[in-house]
Amino acid sequence: QVQLQESGPGLVKPSETLSLTCTVSGGSMSSYYWSWIRQPAGKGLEWIGRIYSGGSTNYNPSLKSRVTMSVDTSKNHFSLKLSSVTAADTAIYYCAREVAEASDNWFDPWGQGTLVTVSS
Amino acid sequence: EIVMTQSPTSLSVSPGDRATLSCRASQSVNTNLAWYQQKPGQSPRLLIYGASTRAPGIPARFSGSGSGTEFTLTISSLQSEDFAVYYCQQYNNWPPKYTFGQGTKLEIK
Repeated sequence: QVQLQESGPGLVKPSETLSLTCTVSGGSMSSYYWSWIRQPAGKGLEWIGRIYSGGSTNYNPSLKSRVTMSVDTSKNHFSLKLSSVTAADTAIYYCAREVAEASDNWFDPWGQGTLVTVSS
Repeated sequence: EIVMTQSPTSLSVSPGDRATLSCRASQSVNTNLAWYQQKPGQSPRLLIYGASTRAPGIPARFSGSGSGTEFTLTISSLQSEDFAVYYCQQYNNWPPKYTFGQGTKLEIK
């Protein structure tokens, strides 16, 4: 079955750019949207944005000015860049596959998540 | 923007009892509503999609209902492994955006 694995630096300095990659295994990336979701410690889930296998993107308006996503289906991975980070961006970052059927949309599966701490 | 509100924030239930969790949308989402279970140190796990369809491998004691703005997740007979945080999630077509409820923590009584 499809599995996702996040990777990237666990520590980022304030004002710098957070960069993460999600590697997809066990299936094709084609014809799916792929999302990034984050969760500050002890808090709820926030959708950051998504990228289609063909490259089109949608971002959460609250983060849009700082987010860039890219995809490389030949390498079976997609990436997140979040610029000008502050301590408020400290969170566990998850990648997930979006499934869409009959006007319903959900995430399955999810990666295990990676903790990113913003600190000098 | 559609806001999802879950209630209660936390719920104490005895093993074997029924648990009822609620999720309300600030405007209609039809049946575009999913439920997830998250245990400490784990990523969320899909339970229900389309408001009432169990995901593959999810036990029958989990059921979802509702449409429009009011949704319910029911766990009919709580097992020890069911104590976790539960989130609802909706998708808005335009502009495309997902939002989650703030979560309900299900605790052992």
